[in-house]
Amino acid sequence: AQSVTQPDIHITVSEGASLELRCNYSYGATPYLFWYVQSPGQGLQLLLKYFSGDTLVQGIKGFEAEFKRSQSSFNLRKPSVHWSDAAEYFCAVGSLKAGNNRKLIWGLGTSLAVNP
Amino acid sequence: DAGVTQSPTHLIKTRGQQVTLRCSPKSGHDTVSWYQQALGQGPQFIFQYYEEEERQRGNFPDRFSGHQFPNYSSELNVNALLLGDSALYLCASIGGELFFGEGSRLTVL
Repeated sequence: AQSVTQPDIHITVSEGASLELRCNYSYGATPYLFWYVQSPGQGLQLLLKYFSGDTLVQGIKGFEAEFKRSQSSFNLRKPSVHWSDAAEYFCAVGSLKAGNNRKLIWGLGTSLAVNP
Repeated sequence: DAGVTQSPTHLIKTRGQQVTLRCSPKSGHDTVSWYQQALGQGPQFIFQYYEEEERQRGNFPDRFSGHQFPNYSSELNVNALLLGDSALYLCASIGGELFFGEGSRLTVL
């Protein structure tokens, strides 16, 4: 079955500390991989995505993620967290290739709190 | 270039009523997906429209229906509203990624 697991429901870090949010997936083939961020009451904004090629991808706001095929993981990292990074983070996997089967499967999200 | 726009942004209905939510995709995008996001949850896929037809559907009852117009805009209709239908309804258009609107927050009393 296709699924996405974000093991950490809630994480609290201090401002300036490093951050890693975990994402593991189960999917038939190598999927497209995404991280989205959602601030309270807002829609979802794409942080970064992986389709192919270099397994370390850079995103907006200083975020990066590494695709590890052997571990079926796509963990999100940031070297130094800012207070404005407090939000809900969602990992999603799936296929967006042209055709009928364009759909993403979503994790339940990780809520990030940042202490001053 | 406008992004994905949704309307209304907020609405309150009572049980048993019907609601219609609207979405205009990003310019040039012909595929629209609808998601339901309950409080504290991740987005749940409702269905996807392409070429004015429902192409995929998630695990939602027939009370949830939709439509896509020739200009690619879309509507989500929910009949016989239940309290559990209270959620943020997100529309996304596809173009190498999912581009999301800000959502329509539905409260069912």
